[in-house]
Amino acid sequence: DADVTQTPRNRITKTGKRIMLECSQTKGHDRMYWYRQDPGLGLRLIYYSFDVKDINKGEISDGYSVSRQAQAKFSLSLESAIPNQTALYFCATSAGQGANEQFFGPGTRLTVL
Amino acid sequence: GDSVTQMEGPVTLSEEAFLTINCTYTATGYPSLFWYVQYPGEGLQLLLKATKADDKGSNKGFEATYRKETTSFHLEKGSVQVSDSAVYFCALSDRNDYKLSFGAGTTVTVRA
Repeated sequence: DADVTQTPRNRITKTGKRIMLECSQTKGHDRMYWYRQDPGLGLRLIYYSFDVKDINKGEISDGYSVSRQAQAKFSLSLESAIPNQTALYFCATSAGQGANEQFFGPGTRLTVL
Repeated sequence: GDSVTQMEGPVTLSEEAFLTINCTYTATGYPSLFWYVQYPGEGLQLLLKATKADDKGSNKGFEATYRKETTSFHLEKGSVQVSDSAVYFCALSDRNDYKLSFGAGTTVTVRA
């Protein structure tokens, strides 16, 4: 079984709809991250969480919100989706301070029409 | 702030050719440096890393050396295979908060 899973893997929605992307991990890591990938821009950090009670904005948090329901679960929400949020979204985890390797999920491809 | 610049693609090579992807960085401290690889339809996975100056990371025939004097971490492989076709990302991690900053990615296609 995969260590970091994301659901759904693909989603097509319409402008104005609320969307939730979910991430679960079995690695026992404290730190979790949400990124979006756009062609030619690499990955950009949306939000990150260093433990269940710690949530931080990344470089592109506008239009997004997150919830850390448990150590193993970190959800990303788009309250009112817009077309320029069409992208590939990745969840990642890392063990904690001093262990800076991140482990990525398979990604969610989101299309906003 | 911290940033990573890597050579633009796409790069197309024949099997057994030499591959190099340039990566330079800007950082205020002494970051750790990484190369991640993304195979078609998959998430990113760590290819190699280096945590201090002059360290050489290596894996699957790929190598990269942390060059503090030129702020570079170029990726090389002496003889590529079709299975090396992927998108390669250079990244750095700040030692204070361990967040990753990624380059734009370089798409590599190896033809038989």
